Amino acid sequence: EVQLVESGGGLVHPGGSLRLSCAASGFSVTSHYMNWVRQAPGKGLEWVALLYSDGRALYVDSVKGRFTISRHNSQNTLFLEMNSLRPEDTAVYYCARDPTKGRPFYFGMDVWGQGTTVTVSS
Amino acid sequence: QSVLTQPPSASGTPGQRVTISCSGSSFNIESNSVNWYQQLPGTAPKLLIYSSYKRPLGVPDRFSGSKSGTSASLAISGLQSGDEGDYYCAAWDDSLKGLVFGTGTKVTVL
Repeated sequence: EVQLVESGGGLVHPGGSLRLSCAASGFSVTSHYMNWVRQAPGKGLEWVALLYSDGRALYVDSVKGRFTISRHNSQNTLFLEMNSLRPEDTAVYYCARDPTKGRPFYFGMDVWGQGTTVTVSS
Repeated sequence: QSVLTQPPSASGTPGQRVTISCSGSSFNIESNSVNWYQQLPGTAPKLLIYSSYKRPLGVPDRFSGSKSGTSASLAISGLQSGDEGDYYCAAWDDSLKGLVFGTGTKVTVL
């Protein structure tokens, strides 16, 4: 079964760090584009980061220089390293698969995890 | 601040047809494919429409997508109580070099 399971969320103080994990099963994270998408409480969806299958990464402007998307090939796991966290980073974080082989998001994000909650507060 | 604008709400009675609009620009909708996501209460988003009008396997043909110029639309026909939730459009933005989501539309079945 194709599945994504996130973990690593929690409560962190402003300025702190957190690493989110997304374990994949039924497919390889190295052969797909992988994404993180977040949703602040009561708000809409916001794309955060994309990891291409060749290892290149893209980020939304608000997290550039603070967040890093990466993967561990043998563990088949996607990560999001979050540093210098701010209260406005508080959200449910979802990982999602993009099956596109060319232009990102042409086929949309077809597999999503259940999400992990990050709360940034003093 | 989202660059794709959707109406905040839409509603209809069971069996009716509801249409949700998504307004963007030449940088996103006009030059790239549009995807639509359904988020039922308390659940993760689900891909509903990709490449502007195609349905993934398992999505009923009650859901249909279209695109014209800088706007896109999602239509839900034969509205059911299980369709209540939030709906988001999304498209790649060539200027921002990233994916942008719409503001979201809450669908209510009366």
